[in-house]
Amino acid sequence: RKEVEQDPGPFNVPEGATVAFNCTYSNSASQSFFWYRQDCRKEPKLLMSVYSSGNEDGRFTAQLNRASQYISLLIRDSKLSDSATYLCVVNRAGKSTFGDGTTLTVKP
Amino acid sequence: DAGVTQSPTHLIKTRGQQVTLRCSPKSGHDTVSWYQQALGQGPQFIFQYYEEEERQRGNFPDRFSGHQFPNYSSELNVNALLLGDSALYLCASSLPADTEAFFGQGTRLTVV
Repeated sequence: RKEVEQDPGPFNVPEGATVAFNCTYSNSASQSFFWYRQDCRKEPKLLMSVYSSGNEDGRFTAQLNRASQYISLLIRDSKLSDSATYLCVVNRAGKSTFGDGTTLTVKP
Repeated sequence: DAGVTQSPTHLIKTRGQQVTLRCSPKSGHDTVSWYQQALGQGPQFIFQYYEEEERQRGNFPDRFSGHQFPNYSSELNVNALLLGDSALYLCASSLPADTEAFFGQGTRLTVV
């Protein structure tokens, strides 16, 4: 079993849709959590950090459930420019472990 | 403010050769991590350098080695290249605590 698991998708949604991505991690000692976005053949870029209290950045909401070892990302009112691969990242003692990503395609 | 820079951007090597990839961290960052990303997969952690020492290492063979210089820049060396080493190699810089990492644009290595 992988240390960080994501549904690979692909998720194909129309513009304006709401889409949710899930991620689970196996190491309960994990300390910090992030969502990164990666466009085709480009480097990953930080989308947002994830906190137990939940955090929101515009159309994006991230949530962490430490008890269930589960992280989520919600995108509201999807835009064409949201099309990308979304990577869940778990940090522990300086080591970052990435999921394999969930691919989102937003269509007109 | 320059972000993380990597060189070269693309590289083609023959099986059995050795390769050195370079990374300059974002200004103010002293911790450099290296990742290997194969097609269709997430980045896999190779190792992390802090204060010129390897601080953490992932599940990669000894053919993968690295170095960090006093100016915090770093090199990744891969010896005895295999076809399976073909991938995008990403360098990320951060502060020592578990903060977010900033990635360079990567070096795309092709082994033929």
